[in-house]
Amino acid sequence: NAGVTQTPKFRILKIGQSMTLQCAQDMNHNYMYWYRQDPGMGLKLIYYSVGAGITDKGEVPNGYNVSRSTTEDFPLRLELAAPSQTSVYFCASSYSGRGGRSPDTQYFGPGTRLTVL
Amino acid sequence: GNSVTQMEGPVTLSEEAFLTINCTYTATGYPSLFWYVQYPGEGLQLLLKATKADDKGSNKGFEATYRKETTSFHLEKGSVQVSDSAVYFCALRGDTGFQKLVFGTGTRLLVSP
Repeated sequence: NAGVTQTPKFRILKIGQSMTLQCAQDMNHNYMYWYRQDPGMGLKLIYYSVGAGITDKGEVPNGYNVSRSTTEDFPLRLELAAPSQTSVYFCASSYSGRGGRSPDTQYFGPGTRLTVL
Repeated sequence: GNSVTQMEGPVTLSEEAFLTINCTYTATGYPSLFWYVQYPGEGLQLLLKATKADDKGSNKGFEATYRKETTSFHLEKGSVQVSDSAVYFCALRGDTGFQKLVFGTGTRLLVSP
C-alpha cells in the first residue's frame, strides 16, 4: 500500500496562474480531505468528499475547486493563484462504515509546498 | 463551536527528560481526541487517540488520557529521544454524523543529545 500520495512536492506559481494538486489513495477510503497549513498554525479544512461524485466546502474554500470522479483520486484546483494561497497543502483520507458513523482515523499525504509570487 | 488549545512552543528538552504537552478542548457531547505528529518535511501521522472519557491512548512510549472533567488530553512521555523532535498537534472530532477534525496550532518539540 502506498497510502496517500500527493504530487507535486513543491511548486512556485506566478499570480494569476492556475494549477491542480493531485491526491490519490489506495486504501479504498470513502472520505477524502484537503487541508492547508500556514506557518505556526494548525490545519484548516478546504474541501472534503464523502464519496465519488460528492464534495462539500470546509472552512476556507474560496479560491479552490475540487472534484471526485473516482474513489481513489481527489484533485484540488487553484484557478487564479494569489499570494494568500502560499501554504503547504495536505490531502488526507479516512473510512466511514454504514449508518452515518463518524469517519475513522485520517491518513495524511506528505504535502505539497506551494509558493505564489 | 469546537476548539482545541495547545501550549505554545517550542519545548526544548534534553534527551531522557520527561515530556508534557498540554491540550485542552471545548466541545459539546463526547468528541474523539487525537494526537498527531509531524516530522520535518513530512505529513501528519496519527500518534494516538482516545474515543471516550477516561480512555488512555498510547503509542511509542507516548500516552494521553481523555479527561472529561478537566476537558484535557495532555501528551506525556517518560524519556524523550532526539528522534522525537517534531511538531505535535492535538485534535478533536465531534461525535455526531460527519464532523471535521479541529486542530490545535501545534507544539514544536526540540530534543538535544
